[in-house]
Amino acid sequence: AQSVAQPEDQVNVAEGNPLTVKCTYSVSGNPYLFWYVQYPNRGLQFLLKYITGDNLVKGSYGFEAEFNKSQTSFHLKKPSALVSDSALYFCAVTSTGANNLFFGTGTRLTVIP
Amino acid sequence: NAGVTQTPKFRILKIGQSMTLQCAQDMNHNYMYWYRQDPGMGLKLIYYSVGAGITDKGEVPNGYNVSRSTTEDFPLRLELAAPSQTSVYFCASRTNYRGMNTEAFFGQGTRLTVV
Repeated sequence: AQSVAQPEDQVNVAEGNPLTVKCTYSVSGNPYLFWYVQYPNRGLQFLLKYITGDNLVKGSYGFEAEFNKSQTSFHLKKPSALVSDSALYFCAVTSTGANNLFFGTGTRLTVIP
Repeated sequence: NAGVTQTPKFRILKIGQSMTLQCAQDMNHNYMYWYRQDPGMGLKLIYYSVGAGITDKGEVPNGYNVSRSTTEDFPLRLELAAPSQTSVYFCASRTNYRGMNTEAFFGQGTRLTVV
């Protein structure tokens, strides 16, 4: 069975500070991990993915994520937060041979000016 | 390239009515998905399809039906609408490139209210 958890409903960070949005997963097989962002009244936009290779993945808008197999985590990071980064962030997982795609419950990021 | 297109964008249904949410993609993706997003909540998988003629249930399939007669289209049918089906519905598609799953592309959503 596959599952993904985002332990924080809300993350607040000051503008210019580094941000981290947490994600842990459970799969059988090799994981494929994704981060998406959702702005109000919009669909989900793809940020970045881990399929294989380097554990540090770089994506859109200066975001990056680190795949940690031993901790089954895929935390989203950005060195310097912008007010415009305020949005709802979703982690998603599937795995080798799996056809479904499961999402976490989302983390609302608020960047305070 | 339109990507994933959902229609309608908004709909109000009365209890007991039925409707079909349309989803079409022009990327020749084999995988397609339907999710619902309740206010302040995450995405729940309703149904998915791995290709024309093949569908399977997700986490919350009750009260819904799907069909996949072509690669491009994946309509979601609501029979006997209930207030609990008030939600925002998202359709998504993805493919498999050289044996590896690609990211999913999402439509803009359909906001459904059942009164």
